[in-house]
Amino acid sequence: ETGVTQSPTHLIKTRGQQVTLRCSSQSGHNTVSWYQQALGQGPQFIFQYYREEENGRGNFPPRFSGLQFPNYSSELNVNALELDDSALYLCASSLLSRGDTEAFFGQGTRLTVV
Amino acid sequence: LAKTTQPISMDSYEGQEVNITCSHNNIATNDYITWYQQFPSQGPRFIIQGYKTKVTNEVASLFIPADRKSSTLSLPRVSLSDTAVYYCLVGDQFRGSQGNLIFGKGTKLSVKP
Repeated sequence: ETGVTQSPTHLIKTRGQQVTLRCSSQSGHNTVSWYQQALGQGPQFIFQYYREEENGRGNFPPRFSGLQFPNYSSELNVNALELDDSALYLCASSLLSRGDTEAFFGQGTRLTVV
Repeated sequence: LAKTTQPISMDSYEGQEVNITCSHNNIATNDYITWYQQFPSQGPRFIIQGYKTKVTNEVASLFIPADRKSSTLSLPRVSLSDTAVYYCLVGDQFRGSQGNLIFGKGTKLSVKP
């Protein structure tokens, strides 16, 4: 158990719809990152939030957006879903500090777009 | 951020020691080396992290030569439950604007009885 929980665990959406995924960070962590993992691939960085502000973004279009709340929980929103958005979405929380790359991942949300 | 290269897959038998080597020729001075383990349909799990020489914890050992251009994750006496994908990551989460972890495809370790 990492203390990071994601909801829902599974989700099926239709192309063109919007989806919101949620993540509760581990207590004491100030940073949350979101990753997309396609089948057979490593996780790909979407963006990171540090103290409620975006701290970095990967190569994902603007229809991928996020929020971090004062209690450090977070949301990932995806608009205008495409079939290629089908993947495992992972949330990772950490305490941002120099040189420390230990992040604690949730179990992920499996999104299927049909 | 430094790119890493590791074998796509490895096979082993229960009770054997497994060594997975990762190359990271462009590692920067501030970069740490971190290994994660991932089981199917679960998030990656931190195994071990090091900067130089040798680090050991209850799960694994990490060997880093003086030039730091490679590292070796050593799993002693593997069991069937060690079957997973192992990722080698290099970076400094604090440095730069991305603040992200860069995962490659990892090494798929299969442990057989």
